[in-house]
Amino acid sequence: QVQLQESGPGLVKPSDTLSLTCAVSGYSISSSNWWGWIRQPPGKGLEWIGYIYYSGSTYYNPSLKSRVTMSVDTSKNQFSLKLSSVTAVDTAVYYCARVQLVRAGRAYFDYWGQGTLVTVSS
Amino acid sequence: QSVLTQPPSVSAAPGQKVTISCSGSSSNIGNNYVSWYQQLPGTAPKLLIYDNNKRPSGIPDRFSGSKSGTSATLGITGLQTGDEADYYCGTWDSSLVFGGGTKLTVL
Repeated sequence: QVQLQESGPGLVKPSDTLSLTCAVSGYSISSSNWWGWIRQPPGKGLEWIGYIYYSGSTYYNPSLKSRVTMSVDTSKNQFSLKLSSVTAVDTAVYYCARVQLVRAGRAYFDYWGQGTLVTVSS
Repeated sequence: QSVLTQPPSVSAAPGQKVTISCSGSSSNIGNNYVSWYQQLPGTAPKLLIYDNNKRPSGIPDRFSGSKSGTSATLGITGLQTGDEADYYCGTWDSSLVFGGGTKLTVL
């Protein structure tokens, strides 16, 4: 059974960089899949942040692209998210997920982590 | 403001059927595949439907998906109190996008 678990600081100061890691178990991250991040501000809807292939190829949400960096560590079977210059609007539950990306226009998230709340506050 | 429009809420009695709509345009639903997610209170979203109308293993056939033109619909029959959740549609529009979500209340 594929399982994903997010980890990282729950509190980040404004203008700092948010850093999260997603550990994958029950499945090799090097298999043919993309791996993604989605966030959900408190009481609001879902926003896709981006996804990364095990080889390191990435695709980011254009609205966040200038601040997002994703990376993958196949030796640890995990992938990571960095979001720079955060403000209060970046406060959200951050989810990692496995992406089934057949092609552009045909993609969905089939396994999700439980999510981790990151609050941006001084 | 999402490019995919969902009703904020729907409700129905146990045992009844409900449908949740997801309205878009030719740049998203009209030319791409739709997925649906169920988010029970306090939990992570869960994939219900992918490729417009396919159910992952373990999802009961009470849940169904369809697409016509620039709109998609999630159907749930035999409503149970355990179906009370937020439901989101998702598709591609230059990037992955989600609808604003619909809260289902089972009266």
